[in-house]
Amino acid sequence: GAVVSQHPSRVICKSGTSVKIECRSLDFQATTMFWYRQFPKQSLMLMATSNEGSKATYEQGVEKDKFLINHASLTLSTLTVTSAHPEDSSFYICSARDLQWSPGSGNTIYFGEGSWLTVV
Amino acid sequence: DAKTTQPPSMDCAEGRAANLPCNHSTISGNEYVYWYRQIHSQGPQYIIHGLKNNETNEMASLIITEDRKSSTLILPHATLRDTAVYYCIVSPFMFTGGGNKLTFGTGTQLKVEL
Repeated sequence: GAVVSQHPSRVICKSGTSVKIECRSLDFQATTMFWYRQFPKQSLMLMATSNEGSKATYEQGVEKDKFLINHASLTLSTLTVTSAHPEDSSFYICSARDLQWSPGSGNTIYFGEGSWLTVV
Repeated sequence: DAKTTQPPSMDCAEGRAANLPCNHSTISGNEYVYWYRQIHSQGPQYIIHGLKNNETNEMASLIITEDRKSSTLILPHATLRDTAVYYCIVSPFMFTGGGNKLTFGTGTQLKVEL
């Protein structure tokens, strides 16, 4: 099946530094990728939608200057958490919408394994 | 996106069928029903989706009522590895552009026990 890979799976960074998380669709092309954040025992919260070759669309309340998203190709999107603070510690998950569409089933969205960010 | 309602938790004996219900009474005509599950500390796993017809794949079956206001995900022979949070999501699809974004609710915690 379709695979979405995230890297790194776990990262620890110091307060004030920036950290980049990559999201790759390994065996399909994705014009659209999504970034989520999940705190312990809570559901996934959509942060932003990223479209290849254009600016990302952020959900209300998400700071676009803090969470920089780049979608440079049909298989890669990156999330950079800038000036990280301990409250940014969370599980970050990306998903990718398969470009291939079929009648009756539309496009399927696949998720990565997630990346644990700990800011100390 | 239309909202969904799911029971917060369910238990199922291993080897038995797990039937997970979902209400989506405000679903629009162009919205699909998607099911994902999330095993602890992992990314969500796609299970199945459908528009109006019942669907079956190697993982599960999806039964959608004729009025499309509710659906049931069926895991025919649940195993301990099926213990997870199951999310029912409704979302439109688009051919191009922003595409369908998936908004997660609280889901159903399914616990499969011996």
